Amino acid sequence: TQLLEQSPQFLSIQEGENLTVYCNSSSVFSSLQWYRQEPGEGPVLLVTVVTGGEVKKLKRLTFQFGDARKDSSLHITAAQPGDTGLYLCAGEGGGSNYKLTFGKGTLLTVNP
Amino acid sequence: ETGVTQTPRHLVMGMTNKKSLKCEQHLGHNAMYWYKQSAKKPLELMFVYSLEERVENNSVPSRFSPECPNSSHLFLHLHTLQPEDSALYLCASSPRRAETQYFGPGTRLLVL
Repeated sequence: TQLLEQSPQFLSIQEGENLTVYCNSSSVFSSLQWYRQEPGEGPVLLVTVVTGGEVKKLKRLTFQFGDARKDSSLHITAAQPGDTGLYLCAGEGGGSNYKLTFGKGTLLTVNP
Repeated sequence: ETGVTQTPRHLVMGMTNKKSLKCEQHLGHNAMYWYKQSAKKPLELMFVYSLEERVENNSVPSRFSPECPNSSHLFLHLHTLQPEDSALYLCASSPRRAETQYFGPGTRLLVL
């Protein structure tokens, strides 16, 4: 069974601060996706990382896939209240294992 | 963004009721999914349809019955549910079974 551990579970920061959240596993994934989910809504895809060591930037968000494709991190620079939400990582097993394994998420609150 | 829509957005039902959740995707995708999201748990995959054929049933109780009449529509028929079935039910679609999934806004279900 593939498991994804996300940390921290909760994070509350002030506007303008930087933060990093983590997604770790003992399993190798063919790709890993990050989603943001706002209250009462479905998850919205932010990025997919595929290659070990890959770094992708989306404005103030930087995503990194570990060299061994077992872990990932999301760094947010100068957080804004609009970044508030539940950040979910999901790993795809690859090959015929098309299932996405989700972590429990990091609930981020950015206070004005 | 109205790629994947779900109705109703909120539903309250008694344990003896029968209701249906509807999902529609306007993205031309061939795979559709039902997930259950409960508090403090990772997203749980319930059913997967690929080209209108059910290809996955993750030990879901028979009180949940999916239906996929065509590649754009997915239903989840509910009957004699239990209070522990209260959750956010999310629909997702992807171009093909092993590709990036796009989520709808979910149906918040409360079983009394």
